[in-house]
Amino acid sequence: SYVLTQPPSVSVAPGQTARITCGGNNIGIKTVHWYQQKPGQAPVLVVHDDGVRPSGIPERFSGSNSGNTATLTISRVEAGDEADYHCQVWDSGSDHPVFGGGTKLTVL
Amino acid sequence: QVQLVQSGAEVKKPGASVKVSCKASGYTFTDYNVHWVRQAPGQGLEWMGWINPNNGGTTYAQKFQGRVTLTRDTSITTAYMEVTRLRSDDTAVYYCASQYYDSSGYCDYWGQGTLVTVSS
Repeated sequence: SYVLTQPPSVSVAPGQTARITCGGNNIGIKTVHWYQQKPGQAPVLVVHDDGVRPSGIPERFSGSNSGNTATLTISRVEAGDEADYHCQVWDSGSDHPVFGGGTKLTVL
Repeated sequence: QVQLVQSGAEVKKPGASVKVSCKASGYTFTDYNVHWVRQAPGQGLEWMGWINPNNGGTTYAQKFQGRVTLTRDTSITTAYMEVTRLRSDDTAVYYCASQYYDSSGYCDYWGQGTLVTVSS
């Protein structure tokens, strides 16, 4: 089964830019989705299809995907962005989604 | 608006079974596959399986084959997940999530989660 690797944690000061990576073998040919999950809440889709924001998601959230790494970028980070972020792709070989292990974003 | 509302928390003994429901509203039930994802305490998201509400077709993660059953009742736009032979490491929050059948596989909407605690 396809494996996605995320760093356990990322820290950033308010107002700075956070970059959360998601590694996978040739992930650039796959389509990557990102979810934000705050403590005690269900995940919320923040980026789909590599870099598309659903309605209601701030423009500060963006995504990119190339080679073996996909990246979720959060610009002008706010305290309210502190959460776990999970990347996900569809594994066409086994016909199901695969999630990364999640990254905890801490706003200093 | 789109809503997925799950049944309430459960406490079960090892070896028992649990059935969690997921009531969908605000969209055409048969246009969205329903996935089940669980999250053990302090852990990441673990995909368990999905069901096509249109034809009832299912796909399960190999880890859960034979122990998890997904069903749906289109008349009441509700999906169900049953887990049998529960163990202590099945203690987790279980989520249902919907995925448009023609999308690239992302889950637009999520239920609020159901905590299942397995303890003797």
